[in-house]
Amino acid sequence: DTAVSQTPKYLVTQMGNDKSIKCEQNLGHDTMYWYKQDSKKFLKIMFSYNNKELIINETVPNRFSPKSPDKAHLNLHINSLELGDSAVYFCASSQDWRGGKNIQYFGAGTRLSVL
Amino acid sequence: TQLLEQSPQFLSIQEGENLTVYCNSSSVFSSLQWYRQEPGEGPVLLVTVVTGGEVKKLKRLTFQFGDARKDSSLHITAAQPGDTGLYLCAGVRTGTYKYIFGTGTRLKVLA
Repeated sequence: DTAVSQTPKYLVTQMGNDKSIKCEQNLGHDTMYWYKQDSKKFLKIMFSYNNKELIINETVPNRFSPKSPDKAHLNLHINSLELGDSAVYFCASSQDWRGGKNIQYFGAGTRLSVL
Repeated sequence: TQLLEQSPQFLSIQEGENLTVYCNSSSVFSSLQWYRQEPGEGPVLLVTVVTGGEVKKLKRLTFQFGDARKDSSLHITAAQPGDTGLYLCAGVRTGTYKYIFGTGTRLKVLA
């Protein structure tokens, strides 16, 4: 029973298209995150939601729009995809938003390839 | 400029050898975590250190948080092929709640 699950695992699409990635956690956590991992394996936070409210938005282009219908779900919609959007996107969750001793549980990632 | 620099970036060693991975910053962190990530998977937390000078052991892995809370190290004794993976440190800077990840160390342990 996967704690943090994201779909799809692979996404190949053309430049200019719009795509969505879905994430669900069954841990009862209040906080969810989206991270982007580039080709050099550098992991950078994009967004964080606490109980459906946006709490971190890291200078991400507004083509990226997260949506949290409830605290167990955080989806990521990307408009007008660009070549530079190619990366692995990870969803994560933690008990609350206060960082520090919180354990983040990560999904298995969505590998996005923009052609 | 990355806030958390890890070294070395790549490490390939023989089974049974010891190794140390470093995570350095000029900023002070209220806590530091170490994760291991395997291909096709997300990072998995290994340990959290919160007190300057703290040392934690997890079987053959020893983690240390610097006295000034600006750096950390991960030491693996008698490495095994199962230790192969990407090791990431991550910290929360004092006064913030955002995780910052290090540049990563790719470890390969050869049988």
